[in-house]
This record gives sequence, C-alpha cells and structure tokens, in this order.
Amino acid sequence: KAGVTQTPRYLIKTRGQQVTLSCSPISGHRSVSWYQQTPGQGLQFLFEYFSETQRNKGNFPGRFSGRQFSNSRSEMNVSTLELGDSALYLCASSLGPRGYGYTFGSGTRLTVV
Amino acid sequence: SQQGEEDPQALSIQEGENATMNCSYKTSINNLQWYRQNSGRGLVHLILIRSNEREKHSGRLRVTLDTSKKSSSLLITASRAADTASYFCATDREETSYDKVIFGPGTSLSVIP
Repeated sequence: KAGVTQTPRYLIKTRGQQVTLSCSPISGHRSVSWYQQTPGQGLQFLFEYFSETQRNKGNFPGRFSGRQFSNSRSEMNVSTLELGDSALYLCASSLGPRGYGYTFGSGTRLTVV
Repeated sequence: SQQGEEDPQALSIQEGENATMNCSYKTSINNLQWYRQNSGRGLVHLILIRSNEREKHSGRLRVTLDTSKKSSSLLITASRAADTASYFCATDREETSYDKVIFGPGTSLSVIP
C-alpha cells in the first residue's frame, strides 16, 4: 500500500512569507503527527491530529498551525516565516493516537532565505 | 530536557560486530519505540515495546526494556554497512491520553565495511 506522502519535497521561501505543507497518511490511518527536525534541536513535536481534532500541540509559536480533513489528510501552515524555521518537516501517520508505531513520510525540506 | 536520551551520541564499528545503543527516560511510559533515519530522510519504525514487555526481537534487532531503571537498549547483531544511520528512541508517556510521543536526540551509527 502507498506510504505517507508529503508535498512538496523541497521548498525555498523568503522571510515574512507563509507556507503550507501537505501530508497524506496511509489509507486507514486516522492519526497524523507533525515534527520539525533541525541539527541543533533534533525532532521537535509540533501537533497531533486524530479524527480532524488537534489532540496536542508542541511548544511552538502561534505562527505554526495545522488542520486535518475528513479524509485524514493534514496540512500545516507557517506564517511570517523566519530564518530559524528552516528545517525538515516530518509527518507521521498511525492507526490511532496511542499505542501504535508511526509511519513517516520523507519530509519537506524548507529553506527560508 | 529530553524525555528520552540515547547513549552514545555516536558509535563506529566494523561490519559484522554488534552495536548496542541505550535510551534513558524520565517519566512512566505506555510504550517505547525505536526508529532509524538514513541521512535526512523520514524515520523508519523498527520496534515498539510496551511497558509490560521486557524484550522483543525483530530479525537482527533485539530491544530490552527495564521500567525500574527507566531505560531501554537496542542491539543490532552482525551489523552491515547498510545499518549506518541515526537511531532514535521515542517514548509514549503514561500520564494522559493526550500526551505526545517524544523523540530523543539520537545515536549516529557508522558501520565500516
């Protein structure tokens, strides 16, 4: 079956712009989590969605937002981009919010210039 | 500080040797998971071990969990060059159903042919 699909794979944006990243989970998976990965901070939790509801949010400013649609696809948005937002953004899907392993997408590499 | 901390940060071994990585955590958990990441790609789920389990095997992988010491270990036997990657432990905390899965900083494994 198809894996987790993240689009786009690479993105270059200018400071102050906004960006939307997309994640399509594995068919049947209803839980989607987002992580930001940087060399300095490692994997930082952004959000977790289950059945269109945000179940938890990490310690990120309000410029970071997300949503999940009825087909379990998820998007995350970052407004007013800063240089420090440059990172690999990873989406992970699972059958449910607890007790299941994650299947990760290949990530979106965002570069803010 | 991180919920999960891997040790060592980096490990270099010869092909055919065994590699052992450790993970320590701070709070009670529902389960602990190990993931592998190759060079900035998405993470691959290796093993999930629940808090009531002590040991799990998958191919050349062996994971142990000691909840009294709040620690886990990942053993890769007969390592291959293709095992070169970063390995992360992730903890799913027990406190509430709305808690999140937290990743440690990872162990970078180099297997020299």
